[in-house]
Amino acid sequence: RKEVEQDPGPFNVPEGATVAFNCTYSNSASQSFFWYRQDCRKEPKLLMSVYSSGNEDGRFTAQLNRASQYISLLIRDSKLSDSATYLCVVNTGGPAGEDAGNMLTFGGGTRLMVKP
Amino acid sequence: EPEVTQTPSHQVTQMGQEVILRCVPISNHLYFYWYRQILGQKVEFLVSFYNNEISEKSEIFDDQFSVERPDGSNFTLKIRSTKLEDSAMYFCASGGDRQTEAFFGQGTRLTVV
Repeated sequence: RKEVEQDPGPFNVPEGATVAFNCTYSNSASQSFFWYRQDCRKEPKLLMSVYSSGNEDGRFTAQLNRASQYISLLIRDSKLSDSATYLCVVNTGGPAGEDAGNMLTFGGGTRLMVKP
Repeated sequence: EPEVTQTPSHQVTQMGQEVILRCVPISNHLYFYWYRQILGQKVEFLVSFYNNEISEKSEIFDDQFSVERPDGSNFTLKIRSTKLEDSAMYFCASGGDRQTEAFFGQGTRLTVV
């Protein structure tokens, strides 16, 4: 079973549309969660962290459901510049103070294409 | 804004040669990572480094790979004897805390011929 799973897409949406991406993770001990954005042949860039209570940053809303091990990203009023691959990332490091490994595990990404 | 810098941006090497990829993490960060991404595939974890030692490594990170923080600012990845399948984009990242996000450099594209 893949550790972090995403629908690869592509999601083709018109400008102004609302689009939602989902992600599931397998390690129930995961402590922190993020959405990154990656443009073609570029480095992943942090879009937003995902908090248990859900959080919003402008047109972007992230939700976390620990019980279902599920993370979501909602993009409202899509822009052409939102076209990219969206990466779900899970930190599987141990709690502070424990001698556990620390790594960010990436999903395979969901490709979004916003059309005029 | 502080950023992670990587050099070179592109390296071409012959199979069997050693390569060293260099990274300067964000200055007050304590956690360092190397990732790779083969063209068209997902970002794969190689190794994490904290307090001058490896804290986690993947099965990709075999004896051909090593990491070092030689002078307190640079963080290097060495591949001892490159194979064709090592051709990929290699990303360095750093983070301020175990649980926080990591910030990525622009990557080194390694081509093994």
